[in-house]
Amino acid sequence: EAGVAQSPRYKIIEKRQSVAFWCNPISGHATLYWYQQILGQGPKLLIQFQNNGVVDDSQLPKDRFSAERLKGVDSTLKIQPAKLEDSAVYLCASSLDPRRDRGEKLFFGSGTQLSVL
Amino acid sequence: ELKVEQNPLFLSMQEGKNYTIYCNYSTTSDRLYWYRQDPGKSLESLFVLLSNGAVKQEGRLMASLDTKARLSTLHITAAVHDLSATYFCAVDFWSNYQLIWGAGTKLIIKP
Repeated sequence: EAGVAQSPRYKIIEKRQSVAFWCNPISGHATLYWYQQILGQGPKLLIQFQNNGVVDDSQLPKDRFSAERLKGVDSTLKIQPAKLEDSAVYLCASSLDPRRDRGEKLFFGSGTQLSVL
Repeated sequence: ELKVEQNPLFLSMQEGKNYTIYCNYSTTSDRLYWYRQDPGKSLESLFVLLSNGAVKQEGRLMASLDTKARLSTLHITAAVHDLSATYFCAVDFWSNYQLIWGAGTKLIIKP
């Protein structure tokens, strides 16, 4: 079974530039998550999609971050303009519908390591 | 404020020893998850604990959940080098899979 695919693996940009990350979840997974993981910390949820609808984006800095999940499959996360404090690993995860099974696991991609200079 | 606290944050131990990682959380929940992360790699699910008294075991790792104490433990038995990694616990406070994560415990096991 193919896992969660993310690209690019690494990205280096200057502050005030824009950047986009792409995620392809496991086939059949209705729920998709974007997490930000700053070095030495646990992941922080940015946005959660159920199919192509947003379930929660309360921790997404909407003045600079945006995300979409067209057709309920692939997703993109964009930062514009980037700030130094956005340097982190951006993880995409997917799962089957957690509302149906409390034991559902999250499956994570390898992440995109972003460095903002 | 919803918090998940792990301790210790760093642990260096010898192969063959036993040790326990603790995960405390701030308010009621009966859904707790343990994940493993190797350096430069993604997160791998280890255990899902869904009720008070739940205990799960896989190889040398055993996880338990005490919802009354708001505490989960990850016990390592007779550690081996391959278990070196960072271990995270995460709690689902709202039963909607919006997890709050601990800071992680970096475990180094020396031969």
